[in-house]
Amino acid sequence: GNSVTQMEGPVTLSEEAFLTINCTYTATGYPSLFWYVQYPGEGLQLLLKATKADDKGSNKGFEATYRKETTSFHLEKGSVQVSDSAVYFCALSDLSGGSEKLVFGKGMKLTVNP
Amino acid sequence: DAGVTQSPTHLIKTRGQQVTLRCSPKSGHDTVSWYQQALGQGPQFIFQYYEEEERQRGNFPDRFSGHQFPNYSSELNVNALLLGDSALYLCASSLFAYEQYFGPGTRLTVT
Repeated sequence: GNSVTQMEGPVTLSEEAFLTINCTYTATGYPSLFWYVQYPGEGLQLLLKATKADDKGSNKGFEATYRKETTSFHLEKGSVQVSDSAVYFCALSDLSGGSEKLVFGKGMKLTVNP
Repeated sequence: DAGVTQSPTHLIKTRGQQVTLRCSPKSGHDTVSWYQQALGQGPQFIFQYYEEEERQRGNFPDRFSGHQFPNYSSELNVNALLLGDSALYLCASSLFAYEQYFGPGTRLTVT
């Protein structure tokens, strides 16, 4: 079945450091890919998405490129801030059941220190 | 415009009891999906409702059931609670098969 494997944390960075969170997927066909963020005590917020190969999603300084050849969707940010401290989930859309459901990775907790 | 709302925020139940969680979708949305997020894990798909019917179901036992009302709001029911049912339950709404918007979740603790 479809699945997502992502880099697990927790990870601690200093402010202004470079961030990469690896994500690879296994899927039939070409699913849409997503990064969601979960701040402490809150639900999930969509951070960015890409719907086809070579698409680049971007938002709030975060970027991820849909790489079909490596089945990857790595998240990057050039300079993290304390406010980026959260749990990050990679996900794909699974249409195998006839309608869209999301399949998530296990999440990675990021802490950014000043 | 209110987003997805869920109630209650927190809930404590005893093993063997039954629980009902509620979700109101974002205005204009007609589809509701439920996910279970165990501590330290990613959300797992439970089921999805559209036009008051269960459209798709994940790998969860029949103890988990749901309902969607004519106003598109939804309930998740869990019978015969187990300690392993302790989790954050997330509701997501969408317009048919488009982007899902998540609510803040209900934290269920089973003792």
